[in-house]
Amino acid sequence: GENVEQHPSTLSVQEGDSAVIKCTYSDSASNYFPWYKQELGKRPQLIIDIRSNVGEKKDQRIAVTLNKTAKHFSLHITETQPEDSAVYFCAPVGTYNNNDMRFGAGTRLTVKP
Amino acid sequence: DADVTQTPRNRITKTGKRIMLECSQTKGHDRMYWYRQDPGLGLRLIYYSFDVKDINKGEISDGYSVSRQAQAKFSLSLESAIPNQTALYFCATGKAGENTGELFFGEGSRLTVL
Repeated sequence: GENVEQHPSTLSVQEGDSAVIKCTYSDSASNYFPWYKQELGKRPQLIIDIRSNVGEKKDQRIAVTLNKTAKHFSLHITETQPEDSAVYFCAPVGTYNNNDMRFGAGTRLTVKP
Repeated sequence: DADVTQTPRNRITKTGKRIMLECSQTKGHDRMYWYRQDPGLGLRLIYYSFDVKDINKGEISDGYSVSRQAQAKFSLSLESAIPNQTALYFCATGKAGENTGELFFGEGSRLTVL
């Protein structure tokens, strides 16, 4: 299956600062790059995704950038707020088997007020 | 609203007991998944299914089995539970096809094996 690495594993920022989480993957044919957010005690939910035909996508304070040559994509959160505190997961989809959906180990983001 | 429902939400059992976790969905999705989440760790794939005739092993299938009874139902079984299977279990669904995409998760089933 796809090898997925996510860094950092924990991240603490002050409210208002920016946060960046990086995900590297092994399958050069991967074509779908999502980020999920899991709040404490809740289920993971998709917050933003990108497909391989674009390099960047933004949705208000969050953005995802993709570097297919280097095989990594990143989640960017600007003007962080306490409600951004959660665990974030990447789950790139490799085309060798579109249905084997594996997740990164997660990044725990803490936004300090 | 179309959703993914897991039962039971919490279960405490003893070593050696057989346990079944059930998942049903009203989203009409073909793909269904079972994941395990341990404290401080990510989501590890146990089994997944394309449709009722298709079952595939994931990263950590040993000690687990599944059954896809219908498009909408996918159950996970522990034939003889052991303490290191204590974890939070999530079912998820997704659309099939070229534009494989978002997974939709159930609320989770917390299993404790004593």
